[in-house]
Amino acid sequence: NAGVTQTPKFQVLKTGQSMTLQCAQDMNHEYMSWYRQDPGMGLRLIHYSVGAGITDQGEVPNGYNVSRSTTEDFPLRLLSAAPSQTSVYFCASSGTGEKLFFGSGTQLSVL
Amino acid sequence: SQELEQSPQSLIVQEGKNLTINCTSSKTLYGLYWYKQKYGEGLIFLMMLQKGGEEKSHEKITAKLDEKKQQSSLHITASQPSHAGIYLCGADPGSYGKLTFGQGTILTVHP
Repeated sequence: NAGVTQTPKFQVLKTGQSMTLQCAQDMNHEYMSWYRQDPGMGLRLIHYSVGAGITDQGEVPNGYNVSRSTTEDFPLRLLSAAPSQTSVYFCASSGTGEKLFFGSGTQLSVL
Repeated sequence: SQELEQSPQSLIVQEGKNLTINCTSSKTLYGLYWYKQKYGEGLIFLMMLQKGGEEKSHEKITAKLDEKKQQSSLHITASQPSHAGIYLCGADPGSYGKLTFGQGTILTVHP
């Protein structure tokens, strides 16, 4: 099983550029979520989805967009990258009452 | 919103020593997850605790959930360099596959 696949692994952007972080899971999980990890701050929830067509904001949603057109995919869009968005991003998925399965992460630098 | 406080924030031990990491919640714990992260890598699931008083062990790692204290502890016996990394606790606020995380505890084990 591939589990949760995130691409790319590394990305460098210039301020103002836009990009999409891809996330796909092959476990037919209903729940998917995006987190960012910054030093000393653990993981903070950006957006999450409880099923195809349904998304909601987490703790730090500003500057990010998501959509969930299929059960498998949950892309995260940076609309206009800012240096404050330099971070490591993790996508996760789970079924009801199950542990979260995490992707391997995307290291993003915004110059 | 629920907040998790981990202590200590960092820990340096000599190989063979026992250690404990605590995770204290600002609200009632319905489900508590422990993950481990090696530097630059994804999160590895360790254990999930769902009931007050529950205790689980895997190899040399034991986790307990004290519902009354709203706290969980992770204990490592006879630490090894392979135990080094960042330990994160995550709480399930009720469902929907999203967790609130503590800030993480950085563990260093010297051979």
